[in-house]
Amino acid sequence: SAVISQKPSRDICQRGTSLTIQCQVDSQVTMMFWYRQQPGQSLTLIATANQGSEATYESGFVIDKFPISRPNLTFSTLTVSNMSPEDSSIYLCSVGQGGPETQYFGPGTRLLVL
Amino acid sequence: KQEVTQIPAALSVPEGENLVLNCSFTDSAIYNLQWFRQDPGKGLTSLLLIQSSQREQTSGRLNASLDKSSGRSTLYIAASQPGDSATYLCAVTDNYGQNFVFGPGTRLSVLP
Repeated sequence: SAVISQKPSRDICQRGTSLTIQCQVDSQVTMMFWYRQQPGQSLTLIATANQGSEATYESGFVIDKFPISRPNLTFSTLTVSNMSPEDSSIYLCSVGQGGPETQYFGPGTRLLVL
Repeated sequence: KQEVTQIPAALSVPEGENLVLNCSFTDSAIYNLQWFRQDPGKGLTSLLLIQSSQREQTSGRLNASLDKSSGRSTLYIAASQPGDSATYLCAVTDNYGQNFVFGPGTRLSVLP
C-alpha cells in the first residue's frame, strides 16, 4: 500500500494570489493524478503527472492556471495560480501503478478563496 | 472509521444485459457518494454524484440510488455495451465533504 500526505490540509487565500499544494508519497509510484471537487460538484480530474514527462491536462484545465511539478517518483505539486473565488474547492491527489487495485488517495486540501 | 466495500469484485456479462453494482459503507454520516469509472492507466471519471439528502441520480443509461440509513448504494447500468468495460468505484466523503474513502472497485467486462 501507499501512504499519501498533502500540504496544506486547508487554506484561506486572497483573490489574485497563488497557492502550491504538495503531495508526498511514502513509496515510488509511476502515475500521479490531481483532482478538484468544487462545492456541490463531482470530483473532476485536472491532470495526470507522470515522472519524466510533461503533465497531461484534461479539457478545461490549462498549465498556466494549474502548473504541476513532478520532480521525482514520490512527490508532486499543484499550483493554483491567480486565484478567484471560483477556485474554492477540495484538491485531491492520487497515485497508482496503472491499475485500479493500486490506486491510493490523499486526504485532500480544502481551499477557500475570498 | 469509515469503510467502503463493493460487490461483486468482478463481473463479466454479454452485451445488452442490465446489471447492478453494489456499494456499502459503514458510517452513514456522509456528505455525498460518488460513482466513478476507471480505465486502465487513466484517472477517475465521475459518473454520478448523490448528495446525502438525495435518493437517486440518473445520467443516460446509468442510475444510482442511495439509502443512507442502511449504508448502501447501487449503480444500475442498462443495456450494457463493450465500451462500458472498466472498473467502477464508489466513494463517500465525511460530513465535511472531505476525506474521501473509496471502495475497492468492481471490474466489469462486457462481452460483444
